[in-house]
Amino acid sequence: EPEVTQTPSHQVTQMGQEVILRCVPISNHLYFYWYRQILGQKVEFLVSFYNNEISEKSEIFDDQFSVERPDGSNFTLKIRSTKLEDSAMYFCASSSRRGSSYEQYFGPGTRLTVT
Amino acid sequence: AQSVAQPEDQVNVAEGNPLTVKCTYSVSGNPYLFWYVQYPNRGLQFLLKYITGDNLVKGSYGFEAEFNKSQTSFHLKKPSALVSDSALYFCAVRDGNNRLAFGKGNQVVVIP
Repeated sequence: EPEVTQTPSHQVTQMGQEVILRCVPISNHLYFYWYRQILGQKVEFLVSFYNNEISEKSEIFDDQFSVERPDGSNFTLKIRSTKLEDSAMYFCASSSRRGSSYEQYFGPGTRLTVT
Repeated sequence: AQSVAQPEDQVNVAEGNPLTVKCTYSVSGNPYLFWYVQYPNRGLQFLLKYITGDNLVKGSYGFEAEFNKSQTSFHLKKPSALVSDSALYFCAVRDGNNRLAFGKGNQVVVIP
């Protein structure tokens, strides 16, 4: 069964450093998403991406964040200058269609620790 | 904004007993509701969804969920729990075009 994969599984970085989290969505999916979960809190939507552009973003997704699909398979989330409060589990997801009835498939997550 | 609530932190159940994980929702318009499960070191796995139609929705691994409009609930159920069902369960609602709004999750512990 095809799966969304994410690398690395755990990333430790110092405050102010740039990090890139990588995701490989399911191969025939066209819609891509990033979510995050701060320890002990809810899973929160960050951004959705389609046709090489952001289609929707939350208030969390400020200028420090960016997303890119650099090639036909990878989907990345970049945090330009990490802050302590960026420490969280980051989940990538993909779906074959857009719209309320289509489920999103999630990767295993990258745990980001900012020190 | 759409939202869901999962009132319990942890659900303990004996193996073989029925399992229920509660979820209530708050939406404007038609609700599109989902259940996901997270096993240790794995991503969120889709279990089932309610879009329209029958109030009882059947999903993966023997799980089902009952949509109740009058009680604004979408409880996840399994008639006979297995130890392997021990995991974190998330209820979610479609919020906007593409985003999912999740509940805080419920840890299910199935006791052998």
